[in-house]
Amino acid sequence: QSALTQPASVSGSPGQSITISCTGTSSDIGAFNYVSWYQQYPGKTPKLMIYDVTTRPSGVSNRFSGSKSGNTASLTISGLQAEDEADYYCCSYTTINTVIFGGGTSLTVL
Amino acid sequence: EVQVVQSGGGLVQPGGSLRLSCAASGFTFSSNWMHWVRQVPGKGLVWVSLINSDGSRIGYADSVKGRFTISRDNAKNTLYLQMNSLRVEDTAVYYCVPADKDWGQGTLVTVSS
Repeated sequence: QSALTQPASVSGSPGQSITISCTGTSSDIGAFNYVSWYQQYPGKTPKLMIYDVTTRPSGVSNRFSGSKSGNTASLTISGLQAEDEADYYCCSYTTINTVIFGGGTSLTVL
Repeated sequence: EVQVVQSGGGLVQPGGSLRLSCAASGFTFSSNWMHWVRQVPGKGLVWVSLINSDGSRIGYADSVKGRFTISRDNAKNTLYLQMNSLRVEDTAVYYCVPADKDWGQGTLVTVSS
C-alpha cells in the first residue's frame, strides 16, 4: 500500500491559519473515522495532536483541529505560533487491518 | 499520566533476532490497541504492526510479515515485538504506541555486520 499523500512543506506567518491535507483512498481514510495527526520536532518523539479525525487529546491547544471529507483528511492550525514549526504526520487505519502513514509535512512559521 | 517504557534495542548482525518490550502504565492497557512504529532518523514514520486489546486481531506491514511477531501480556501490562531474520533495512528507532495516547521514548535497533 502506498503512503498517504501530504504536501512536503507548508508555511505561514504568525497569527495566520494553515491547513495540511492528507489524501488517501476509500480503503483507508474514506473507510473509517480513524485518522490521527502527529507533531514531531527534530530528534523528539512524535506527539499525538488529533485522533478519530476530530478529537483533541487533553492538553493539546484548541488551535489545532481536524476534519475529513471523502478520502481526504485535514489538519488546521489557527493563530499560527513560532512553536508550531515542526513536522506533521497523518495516519489512518485501513480495511486490511493495517495502518498507513503520510510522508510528513514540514511546517515553517515565517 | 500515561507512561510507556521501552527496552530491548541494540546492535545485531543481519539474520539475527531481537525482542523489544514495552511496559505501560497510567491507562487501562488491557483495553487499548497497541502498535509498533519505526523511523529511520531523518526520515518519516512507518507503521510496523498492531494488536488489538485481547490479542485476537493482529496486523503487520508487508515489509516485516513472516519475520516479526507482536504479542502482549495484559497481566503484565507489556507489549512485545519479536524480530527475527533481521535485515540492514530494519535499522530504525522503534516506538511503542498505545492507540490514541502518548508514545514511548523509542529504542534504536541497528542491524549491521
